[in-house]
Amino acid sequence: EDQVTQSPEALRLQEGESSSLNCSYTVSGLRGLFWYRQDPGKGPEFLFTLYSAGEEKEKERLKATLTKKESFLHITAPKPEDSATYLCAVQRRGGLTGGGNKLTFGTGTQLKVEL
Amino acid sequence: GAGVSQSPSNKVTEKGKDVELRCDPISGHTALYWYRQSLGQGLEFLIYFQGNSAPDKSGLPSDRFSAERTGGSVSTLTIQRTQQEDSAVYLCASTTSGRLETQYFGPGTRLLVL
Repeated sequence: EDQVTQSPEALRLQEGESSSLNCSYTVSGLRGLFWYRQDPGKGPEFLFTLYSAGEEKEKERLKATLTKKESFLHITAPKPEDSATYLCAVQRRGGLTGGGNKLTFGTGTQLKVEL
Repeated sequence: GAGVSQSPSNKVTEKGKDVELRCDPISGHTALYWYRQSLGQGLEFLIYFQGNSAPDKSGLPSDRFSAERTGGSVSTLTIQRTQQEDSAVYLCASTTSGRLETQYFGPGTRLLVL
């Protein structure tokens, strides 16, 4: 069974204080690892997809990296508007009937960035 | 451009009643997913549609839950004889096909069963 564990559960940062969020996963053949941002009362907003170990993607103050066992979301010089819950999910490689398309999510890291 | 839309945004119902939740995917997206997000839980997969057929229904928690999709577009998730444990946010996502199969989510329907 695919599993995704995110840490920490909650993180409080001062504005400008860089940090990293962790996503550890076990999956039988990774098709893709996804990062989403979720604001209170809203649906998840897509950030990145990573497909293979060593891959990195960046968007503004966010950088996502991937190894064979985990992914990190690095936040550089965060601002209060980066406050949200960050969700990690994996998609298994496989056919349609083999669960190859659904996403398995972690429970998220709730990030609060303070002035 | 229009994203995924869901209705209603909020639904309060009494235990034992039936509810219908609607999802309008992004135009042209052939695949559609339903997930459930309970307080303190991660998103939990319910069902997957490719066109109008559902190759993967493995996440539906009981036979009180059913879903259909018509015309390769709108989908309806129906919960019969609702229970308090059904209270959650129900999220719908749609996706393009191919390697870049990113799932784009709607805003969700917040269901409260009293």
